[in-house]
Amino acid sequence: QVQLVQSGAEVKKPGASVKVSCKASGYTFTSYGISWVRQAPGQGLEWMGWISAYNGNTNYAQKLQGRVTMTTDTSTSTAYMELRSLRSDDTAVYYCARDDRYTYEDWGQGTLVTVSS
Amino acid sequence: DIQMTQSPSSLSASVGDRVTITCRASQSISSYLNWYQQKPGKAPKLLIYAASSLQSGVPSRFSGSGSGTDFTLTISSLQPEDFATYYCQQSYSTPQSFGQGTKLEIK
Repeated sequence: QVQLVQSGAEVKKPGASVKVSCKASGYTFTSYGISWVRQAPGQGLEWMGWISAYNGNTNYAQKLQGRVTMTTDTSTSTAYMELRSLRSDDTAVYYCARDDRYTYEDWGQGTLVTVSS
Repeated sequence: DIQMTQSPSSLSASVGDRVTITCRASQSISSYLNWYQQKPGKAPKLLIYAASSLQSGVPSRFSGSGSGTDFTLTISSLQPEDFATYYCQQSYSTPQSFGQGTKLEIK
């Protein structure tokens, strides 16, 4: 069965960076993209961007352009999302999801990133 | 960018009730509309894709309809495990966007 296993919770200071990993199993990693979606406490879902696991092409949400980088390591079937210059409003649960033409059938368990001084 | 608007934002209902949640897109998205269920502390779960296709393993009491700009999610007979938050999402164009969510609570 498909599994997406994310790295653990992080606490960061404002201005720092965070890198969240998402290890995939149970499917051919390079046949699908990975999207990242975040959810601030008590709020809705926000799409952050997408990466093709086939060729590394990316598409980021405009509001995060310049602060976010998504990468993949096909040798370990792992996707990464790095967010820089963290602010308090980046505090959220970050999810990776297997992206099948922008439909998310499988999700990671979520990674809580807390930004606090 | 396409905006997705759900109504209502919250809803109280009883076990056995029939419930309908609506989602409106700011422009036509054909049938590129998905529905997710999210329970507290859990990742969203895909219920309906392409507006009306039931995801494998999802009970048949869930159904979706609509095309263009107006869509509905219907639960035919609420079960205790259905109390959760529901989100629509357009998969027509990037940036993908979600509705703000509908919280379904027990009356």
